[in-house]
Amino acid sequence: DQQVKQNSPSLSVQEGRISILNCDYTNSMFDYFLWYKKYPAEGPTFLISISSIKDKNEDGRFTVFLNKSAKHLSLHIVPSQPGDSAVYFCAASVYNTDKLIFGTGTRLQVFP
Amino acid sequence: DARVTQTPRHKVTEMGQEVTMRCQPILGHNTVFWYRQTMMQGLELLAYFRNRAPLDDSGMPKDRFSAEMPDATLATLKIQPSEPRDSAVYFCASGLGDNEQFFGPGTRLTVL
Repeated sequence: DQQVKQNSPSLSVQEGRISILNCDYTNSMFDYFLWYKKYPAEGPTFLISISSIKDKNEDGRFTVFLNKSAKHLSLHIVPSQPGDSAVYFCAASVYNTDKLIFGTGTRLQVFP
Repeated sequence: DARVTQTPRHKVTEMGQEVTMRCQPILGHNTVFWYRQTMMQGLELLAYFRNRAPLDDSGMPKDRFSAEMPDATLATLKIQPSEPRDSAVYFCASGLGDNEQFFGPGTRLTVL
């Protein structure tokens, strides 16, 4: 039973345009969400997070939106750059607990 | 430069052999996690420790996998006997129990 779902395995976007990566979750107990970025042959690295008390969190070119009623979050990258090409994992947890539940990842390719 | 280290980075072995993967968490971190990355499941949590005590190994096939923390600077994941379906990338991560986790570069395991 996949509690965190990323239904798009891949996404291709032109440089300079917006990338939107989506994530859905099923467990209503989740109240903290994170995005991780992974380059080939490296471990995932933390990108941005959001608590359920917010509906938006912004960090430079990256913005995460949370829709609690729909159990949906999205990561927006504006403008997209070739260096953003990576696999992006969505993760969810109960705040200040140890466990993260990850999605299957979305491979983003940003082309010139 | 604090980072999680993992050895070996690559391992090729034959079915039935024992495999041991090692992880050195970031100094001062009190939680350690073992994940397996597969195409179908994304990042699966296999086991995790807090203050060296195992808290959850429900994601691990108990008959062949074992995870230990002999001391605060070393975590191990063993597979005995290994099978071809165990081929995957295994990640170790450490953290302070506040949701954010720091990942190592992974061990790519191939079981022939």
